[in-house]
Amino acid sequence: NAGVTQTPKFQVLKTGQSMTLQCAQDMNHNSMYWYRQDPGMGLRLIYYSASEGTTDKGEVPNGYNVSRLNKREFSLRLESAAPSQTSVYFCASSGGGASGGRYTQYFGPGTRLTVL
Amino acid sequence: TQLLEQSPQFLSIQEGENLTVYCNSSSVFSSLQWYRQEPGEGPVLLVTVVTGGEVKKLKRLTFQFGDARKDSSLHITAAQPGDTGLYLCAGAPLGNTPLVFGKGTRLSVIA
Repeated sequence: NAGVTQTPKFQVLKTGQSMTLQCAQDMNHNSMYWYRQDPGMGLRLIYYSASEGTTDKGEVPNGYNVSRLNKREFSLRLESAAPSQTSVYFCASSGGGASGGRYTQYFGPGTRLTVL
Repeated sequence: TQLLEQSPQFLSIQEGENLTVYCNSSSVFSSLQWYRQEPGEGPVLLVTVVTGGEVKKLKRLTFQFGDARKDSSLHITAAQPGDTGLYLCAGAPLGNTPLVFGKGTRLSVIA
C-alpha cells in the first residue's frame, strides 16, 4: 500500500511554462484534494473532487485546472506558470464525501515547485 | 468563509516543558482534526474530536474540543525533541464542504 503518491517531487519552471502535477491513491477513496502550502499561510485548498467525475473550486483556484482521470488519479495543471505559484503542492484523499470531517485526509509527500 | 485561528504561530521551548496550542473560530464545526507535519512530508492525522467537550489523550498529547464546538486545544506534557513539527488544526463545517485548515503552529523543542 503506497497511500498517496505525487510526481514530480521537485520542479523548476520559467514564467509562462505549463506543467501537470500527478497524484494517485490506492486506498479506494472517493474524495481527492489539491492544496498549496506557503510560509505563514497554512494549507489552502485549490480544487477538490468529492467523487469520480466531479470537481469543485476551493479557496484559491485561479491559474489552475484539474482532472479527475478515474477514481485513483487526480491531476493539477498550471497552464501558464507565474512566480506567485511558487509553493509546495500537496495532494490528499479521504474516504468520505467532500466534508471530510468524519474521515481522515491522507496526504502525499508534496511537490516543491519554483517558478522563475 | 469559515476561519480557524491558531495560536501561537511559533513556539520554541526546552525539553521537558509543557505547552498548549489553541485553535479558535467564531463558527461551529461538526468535528475537528489535529495533524502534525514534519519537514519535507505531508501532514499526518493525530486525532479527530467530534463531541462538544470531548477530551482525547494520545500518550503525552491531550486534545480538547470546546463545549460549543467552536474551538480546540492541544496540550503537550513534558515535550521532547521528537515533538518538533508543524501542528495544524482542521475543522469540518456543518455543511457538506471540505475541511478548513488553520495556519499552523510551528513547534521547536530544544534538547
